[in-house]
Amino acid sequence: KAGVTQTPRYLIKTRGQQVTLSCSPISGHRSVSWYQQTPGQGLQFLFEYFSETQRNKGNFPGRFSGRQFSNSRSEMNVSTLELGDSALYLCASSLSAGKETQYFGPGTRLLVL
Amino acid sequence: AQSVSQHNHHVILSEAASLELGCNYSYGGTVNLFWYVQYPGQHLQLLLKYFSGDPLVKGIKGFEAEFIKSKFSFNLRKPSVQWSDTAEYFCAVNINTGRRALTFGSGTRLQVQP
Repeated sequence: KAGVTQTPRYLIKTRGQQVTLSCSPISGHRSVSWYQQTPGQGLQFLFEYFSETQRNKGNFPGRFSGRQFSNSRSEMNVSTLELGDSALYLCASSLSAGKETQYFGPGTRLLVL
Repeated sequence: AQSVSQHNHHVILSEAASLELGCNYSYGGTVNLFWYVQYPGQHLQLLLKYFSGDPLVKGIKGFEAEFIKSKFSFNLRKPSVQWSDTAEYFCAVNINTGRRALTFGSGTRLQVQP
């Protein structure tokens, strides 16, 4: 079975721009979560989607948003990029909303200049 | 809100040495506990998890962890490390509410010298 895939793998943007990152979960997985990883703040939860509904949201500004499609693929969007948004953005998928293990993708490394 | 503390930020060991990485969490209710590993250039992989039952859980590659509820701890152990265990290790907690959100510790960078 293919793992979680994320596109693009690397991205360079400038301040003020917006960016969209994509995540394809493991086949059959319906839950997708997003995390931000930075050297200073570590791994922080962004949001969680299940069956196209956002079920949980972390403590991030409204510039960070996401959605999930009927095929469970998910996108996250960051508008009006700031330098501090430079990070590795990780997507994780799990089968459902129960006690399921989350499997992580390789991440998208975003650099904001 | 829950938090996770990993007290060892950088650990250097020689091959065959024993390993114990500390993890403490702050939450009084029922939790699910995880250890993830991130090898250089690779993505996060699950080492082991605890949901309920036997507090001593065994994971992949010879790792094990013990959940001590009274100490709010979930320490990771391995009796004999190998050079290939060089990686960053993350402890994570999920409140048992059906939500997926994981709270991660700051990570411990393990360097194993041959």
